[in-house]
Amino acid sequence: ETGVTQSPTHLIKTRGQQVTLRCSSQSGHNTVSWYQQALGQGPQFIFQYYREEENGRGNFPPRFSGLQFPNYSSELNVNALELDDSALYLCASSRTSGGAGGTGELFFGEGSRLTVL
Amino acid sequence: GQSLEQPSEVTAVEGAIVQINCTYQTSGFYGLSWYQQHDGGAPTFLSYNALDGLEETGRFSSFLSRSDSYGYLLLQELQMKDSASYFCAVPPGGYQKVTFGTGTKLQVIP
Repeated sequence: ETGVTQSPTHLIKTRGQQVTLRCSSQSGHNTVSWYQQALGQGPQFIFQYYREEENGRGNFPPRFSGLQFPNYSSELNVNALELDDSALYLCASSRTSGGAGGTGELFFGEGSRLTVL
Repeated sequence: GQSLEQPSEVTAVEGAIVQINCTYQTSGFYGLSWYQQHDGGAPTFLSYNALDGLEETGRFSSFLSRSDSYGYLLLQELQMKDSASYFCAVPPGGYQKVTFGTGTKLQVIP
């Protein structure tokens, strides 16, 4: 148990629709990162939020957007869904945004499995 | 950019020892982490090496050689529950993302 919860656990959408995924971070953690994991692949970094500001972004188009709230929970929004967006979306929280010398230990939720038809 | 390469699959016998390798190319290297992920589950942190050498945590050990841009995870006294995917990862230094390797699927057989 990492204390990180995500919802929904599974969802099915059709191409062109929009989706919002939610994450509650572990108590005391002020940084949330989102990852996309395709079947059989490693997690791919989408973006990170630190103190409600986007703090780094991977190679994902602008239709992937996010929010972090004052209680450090977070949302991932994906607009204009494409078939290739089908994946497991993982939220991870940590105590800092990385900081020099940190281990970078991430605490992951169980993920939201998105299927786009 | 950053890339981390691992063997895609490894099979080992229960009770044996297995080594999972990771070679990396990164800009601004600070250390190497390892994560375990069971099918359908969340990745969980196993270990972190900031310095060259071997770090031991119970049945699991992790090794790093900065000069060779290479590390490995060593699992001893393998158990069936060790069947999972294992990822090496480069943690952030400053305000960088965590980049994960391609992953190694370990199958432990009786």
